[in-house]
Amino acid sequence: TQLLEQSPQFLSIQEGENLTVYCNSSSVFSSLQWYRQEPGEGPVLLVTVVTGGEVKKLKRLTFQFGDARKDSSLHITAAQPGDTGLYLCAGPGSARQLTFGSGTQLTVLP
Amino acid sequence: DSGVTQTPKHLITATGQRVTLRCSPRSGDLSVYWYQQSLDQGLQFLIQYYNGEERAKGNILERFSAQQFPDLHSELNLSSLELGDSALYFCASTPGSPNTGELFFGEGSRLTVL
Repeated sequence: TQLLEQSPQFLSIQEGENLTVYCNSSSVFSSLQWYRQEPGEGPVLLVTVVTGGEVKKLKRLTFQFGDARKDSSLHITAAQPGDTGLYLCAGPGSARQLTFGSGTQLTVLP
Repeated sequence: DSGVTQTPKHLITATGQRVTLRCSPRSGDLSVYWYQQSLDQGLQFLIQYYNGEERAKGNILERFSAQQFPDLHSELNLSSLELGDSALYFCASTPGSPNTGELFFGEGSRLTVL
């Protein structure tokens, strides 16, 4: 079973601060996805990383896929209250279904 | 708006009861996925249907069943409900199968078992 562990589980920061959340596994993934879930809604895809060492930027969000394709990180610069949400990483698991990590609940205080 | 519609949005019922959750996928999507999200287990894959046929099974209990109809909508049936079944149930859809690309999720059905 391919497991994805995310850390930290909870993160509360002030507006304007930077932060990094992590997604780690002992298994190699062909790709990893990051989703954001806001209260009362389903997860929404932010980005997919497919190449080891790949870095993708989405405005203030920077995603990195580890060289060995076992881990990924999400860095947010100058966080805003609108960034508040549950950040989930996901990768192909058994039966080629997406397996999700447990998530990082981010709260950005104004 | 992802285009995936789930009903009901909220449901409160008692232990031992049976409920049905409904999902309409995005227009043109043939695959429907059901996920359960609870505080202690996170987002867990339950089952996938593709064009009416069961395609993959995850951690779905025997008390739960699902089907996909000719019009491609899907229903998840939960029976003999227990307190631990209280969770958010999400439906997602994709154009094809198998899928390791983007999942389009509905807003979920929150089930509370008392």
